[in-house]
Amino acid sequence: KAGVTQTPRYLIKTRGQQVTLSCSPISGHRSVSWYQQTPGQGLQFLFEYFSETQRNKGNFPGRFSGRQFSNSRSEMNVSTLELGDSALYLCASKRAAGGLETQYFGPGTRLLVL
Amino acid sequence: GQQLNQSPQSMFIQEGEDVSMNCTSSSIFNTWLWYKQDPGEGPVLLIALYKAGELTSNGRLTAQFGITRKDSFLNISASIPSDVGIYFCAGPYNNNDMRFGAGTRLTVKP
Repeated sequence: KAGVTQTPRYLIKTRGQQVTLSCSPISGHRSVSWYQQTPGQGLQFLFEYFSETQRNKGNFPGRFSGRQFSNSRSEMNVSTLELGDSALYLCASKRAAGGLETQYFGPGTRLLVL
Repeated sequence: GQQLNQSPQSMFIQEGEDVSMNCTSSSIFNTWLWYKQDPGEGPVLLIALYKAGELTSNGRLTAQFGITRKDSFLNISASIPSDVGIYFCAGPYNNNDMRFGAGTRLTVKP
């Protein structure tokens, strides 16, 4: 079974631009969560989508948004990029929503904001 | 938000040695997960624990869910060079968003 895939793997943007990242979950998984990983803050939860609805949201500004499509694929958007948005963005999928399901991570998209 | 306190922050060991790391929380968690992350990759699930007191092994890895449900530890026996990486504990806070420890960076010297 194919794992979680994320595109692109690497991205360079400049301040003020916006970016869209994509995540395809494991086949049959309907929940997709997004995380930001930085050396200073570690792994931080952004949001979770299940059945095209945002189910849970972390403590990030409104510049960070996401959506999920009917095939469970998800996109994450960051508008008006700031230098501090440079990070590894990880998505993880699991079969159903809720914390008791085991989630599996993709390889991440490394974003560099200049 | 609720933090998971993971220690040690880093470890430098000789190949063949055993390793132990742990994770504590001031709140109860109903699930404890241990992940390993290699450079440039996403975390990979190593062991999942679902019941207080549970002791689970995966090859040379052994993890336990603390009886108070506020801690967990991970042991690696007879370490090898490919054990190098960052190990994270994690758990669903309030059965919702996943919280992660800060990670333990393991270096294994051949």
